[in-house]
Amino acid sequence: NAGVTQTPKFQVLKTGQSMTLQCAQDMNHNSMYWYRQDPGMGLRLIYYSASEGTTDKGEVPNGYNVSRLNKREFSLRLESAAPSQTSVYFCASSGRVTLHFGNGTRLTVT
Amino acid sequence: AQRVTQPEKLLSVFKGAPVELKCNYSYSGSPELFWYVQYSRQRLQLLLRHISRESIKGFTADLNKGETSFHLKKPFAQEEDSAMYYCALKALNRDDKIIFGKGTRLHILP
Repeated sequence: NAGVTQTPKFQVLKTGQSMTLQCAQDMNHNSMYWYRQDPGMGLRLIYYSASEGTTDKGEVPNGYNVSRLNKREFSLRLESAAPSQTSVYFCASSGRVTLHFGNGTRLTVT
Repeated sequence: AQRVTQPEKLLSVFKGAPVELKCNYSYSGSPELFWYVQYSRQRLQLLLRHISRESIKGFTADLNKGETSFHLKKPFAQEEDSAMYYCALKALNRDDKIIFGKGTRLHILP
């Protein structure tokens, strides 16, 4: 019963480097989400995908791209990391209503 | 546009005292409201949703459409209630976008 799995758990990048955060769910959910969590800012929606093959911008999409590779996987890519993208990133999936979250990825951009 | 406002960043309450975490929202259509909780070193998880009208761990929340509020209440705080609480809104019948407030840290004093 893995639920939502995110990799990696921790990552340190230098400004300008790129990386992809991976997320997979095994609950056959249609919807998947990427959020970032920052102190005092709460959880902000970066991108979401209502179904396989569709993606939509959330509240803070700039600097990010996503791919809904199949129903299980939803990846988040930082093409050129910036210090402002230092954050904890959460992936989540949803069947009809409830969000199920991963454990998070703590990303530091120096 | 959807918006969720949690006016308190930190709420400190003595054990046994009543708790009320405030949540206000703005959305022109029909919303579904949720409370999520994040205990220390645990994943974000659903606490309750307005549609189910249930009580979880002694917490209740009533959707007040007139005041556009969904405050979370508990009559007698317990130390294990210390956590970060997030109010969330989903637009019913309109894609699957789910946004969160900035969160309130509840600290139960012994």
